[in-house]
Amino acid sequence: AQSVTQPDIHITVSEGASLELRCNYSYGATPYLFWYVQSPGQGLQLLLKYFSGDTLVQGIKGFEAEFKRSQSSFNLRKPSVHWSDAAEYFCAVAPVRNRDDKIIFGKGTRLHILP
Amino acid sequence: DGGITQSPKYLFRKEGQNVTLSCEQNLNHDAMYWYRQDPGQGLRLIYYSQIVNDFQKGDIAEGYSVSREKKESFPLTVTSAQKNPTAFYLCASSSDPGLSAFFGQGTRLTVV
Repeated sequence: AQSVTQPDIHITVSEGASLELRCNYSYGATPYLFWYVQSPGQGLQLLLKYFSGDTLVQGIKGFEAEFKRSQSSFNLRKPSVHWSDAAEYFCAVAPVRNRDDKIIFGKGTRLHILP
Repeated sequence: DGGITQSPKYLFRKEGQNVTLSCEQNLNHDAMYWYRQDPGQGLRLIYYSQIVNDFQKGDIAEGYSVSREKKESFPLTVTSAQKNPTAFYLCASSSDPGLSAFFGQGTRLTVV
C-alpha cells in the first residue's frame, strides 16, 4: 500500500542549530515528493518539491531536501534554524501520470525551537 | 492575487445541524480537495474532484457531501450523520493531481 512515514512526531532543536526531518515513503514507482509547512491555525505552504533530476532540491526559507531512491527517503534539512521555523512539517507524495491516485500526506512532525 | 479562499475562518453549529463550508479558487485549477485535520492525525482526505461535475470519496467521506458545479467552487457540507464533526478543515487545489497543491487558510468548525 502507498504510504508516507514521518517517524518523528515532535523534534526540538536550539535556535541556530541544524535540522533534519525524516520522511520515508512506500510507493509503486518514484512519485513526486513534497514538503509543506503549517503554522498554527493556518493552511499549508509548499516548501519544496522533487519531480526529477538533481536529487538535492532547494526550497524557500533556506530549506533543502535530498531524495534517496535506495532508501525511499526525502529528508528535509536546514543548516541553521530560526525561531520562526517553529511549525508543523508535512511530507507528501503524489502519483506520476496516474490521475486516479491521490496526494498522500504523512502525519506531520512538529518542530519546537529552544531560544 | 490568485489563491484559495475558505470561509468562514471559524464556524459554530449546534449538534444535528448541517453546515456548509465554502472553498473558492481563482487559480484555474482542475483538481480540488477537502481534508480534515485533527491533532496528531495529519491530513485525512474527505473528498476530491478532478473535474467539474465529478468527484470521488476520499478516506473519510461518511457524513460529508460535496458538489462541483463550477470549476472555481467546491463546497463541503458536514451533515448531521458525521459523528464527530469538530475539526479543522482544509481545502486545496492543484492544476494536476500529480502536482503541488495550494491550500486555503482553513475553517475551524466547532459543534456544540
